[in-house]
Amino acid sequence: DVKVTQSSRYLVKRTGEKVFLECVQDMDHENMFWYRQDPGLGLRLIYFSYDVKMKEKGDIPEGYSVSREKKERFSLILESASTNQTSMYLCASEDNDNEQFFGPGTRLTVL
Amino acid sequence: QKEVEQNSGPLSVPEGAIASLNCTYSDRGSQSFFWYRQYSGKSPELIMFIYSNGDKEDGRFTAQLNKASQYVSLLIRDSQPSDSATYLCAVIMNSGNTPLVFGKGTRLSVIA
Repeated sequence: DVKVTQSSRYLVKRTGEKVFLECVQDMDHENMFWYRQDPGLGLRLIYFSYDVKMKEKGDIPEGYSVSREKKERFSLILESASTNQTSMYLCASEDNDNEQFFGPGTRLTVL
Repeated sequence: QKEVEQNSGPLSVPEGAIASLNCTYSDRGSQSFFWYRQYSGKSPELIMFIYSNGDKEDGRFTAQLNKASQYVSLLIRDSQPSDSATYLCAVIMNSGNTPLVFGKGTRLSVIA
């Protein structure tokens, strides 16, 4: 079974802090994605990566950056957290048939 | 703008009935279509995919695709309370290397 893990289930940070969210997959997938999910807004794509060292902006990249130094790991960085970045963050890994496997999510609260 | 539209619901159906979930998409060149189920507090999980016009059945689930009308639907037969969840439609727009576009989801409630 594909397993996608995320570093934290719940995280509380203060405004202005730098926040790292990590995602690891164990199925050697090329493609990985970061989404945020908010009530009424659905899943919104922040960044994605189709290969190591490669990254592409999604629909809402402002305020975020990413790092893909190893194939299995895709990190999302909030350079200076703000209250409007309070959300559920979901990482996904994708196989060659475009099936996405999601991690359990990180619920981030920025105070 | 590449869009996938779903009625947000909630869609309420009695136990044992057929639940019909619909999705329309904006890009006529779209090739691949997916249905994900998301239980409250959980992550989405794939339940079906369809690539060709027509019906595709898997147990109690049937996906229907009509590319001419640009809609895809999911039918759930003999609905159970355990089917209560949000159902997300997702589409690969065009045939290129573009990410999935998700709809906002339809919340289904199956009443016992």
